[in-house]
Amino acid sequence: AQSVSQHNHHVILSEAASLELGCNYSYGGTVNLFWYVQYPGQHLQLLLKYFSGDPLVKGIKGFEAEFIKSKFSFNLRKPSVQWSDTAEYFCAVNAQSSASKIIFGSGTRLSIRP
Amino acid sequence: GAGVSQSPSNKVTEKGKDVELRCDPISGHTALYWYRQSLGQGLEFLIYFQGNSAPDKSGLPSDRFSAERTGGSVSTLTIQRTQQEDSAVYLCASSLGTITDTQYFGPGTRLTVL
Repeated sequence: AQSVSQHNHHVILSEAASLELGCNYSYGGTVNLFWYVQYPGQHLQLLLKYFSGDPLVKGIKGFEAEFIKSKFSFNLRKPSVQWSDTAEYFCAVNAQSSASKIIFGSGTRLSIRP
Repeated sequence: GAGVSQSPSNKVTEKGKDVELRCDPISGHTALYWYRQSLGQGLEFLIYFQGNSAPDKSGLPSDRFSAERTGGSVSTLTIQRTQQEDSAVYLCASSLGTITDTQYFGPGTRLTVL
């Protein structure tokens, strides 16, 4: 069965620090990959997605993620975080053989110290 | 324009009672998803509707759970004979159609079963 692992449950950084949140999935076939973010008091929203082409994907608010197929990973990065990046981040995977089902990770809570 | 709306925002019920949760998707979105988020967990896929096609019910945890979508728009998730383990936030999302289209999430319904 497919699964998604986000090993960091809570990450605390200072402003201007660099960020990398890990995401690994278990599925050997072709996948679509997503990062979603939930800011405090707001709805879940899409940060970025990958389904083909350049494995380095750029999203909103300066975030990017790199799909490394050999490592089954889709880590999220940002070179310099801001206090406003405080949120919960979810990685998600869809196996292209499973037309509708998206499997979400358990999330990583990011806290930024001003 | 209006986003995805869900009602009620909070629901407290007694064990054994039935509950209905409602989702109004974004107008024109043909795909509608239901997810469940338990405390400290990621999102768990429940069911997917796409246009007039038969829904993908593969994520429903038991036969106490059912959902319908009337007229290709509003959807209702029904939980019969609620149990305490059903307590969670139930999220609805809609999209233009395919899995690679951005899903727009509603605010969720927080269900508490006493």
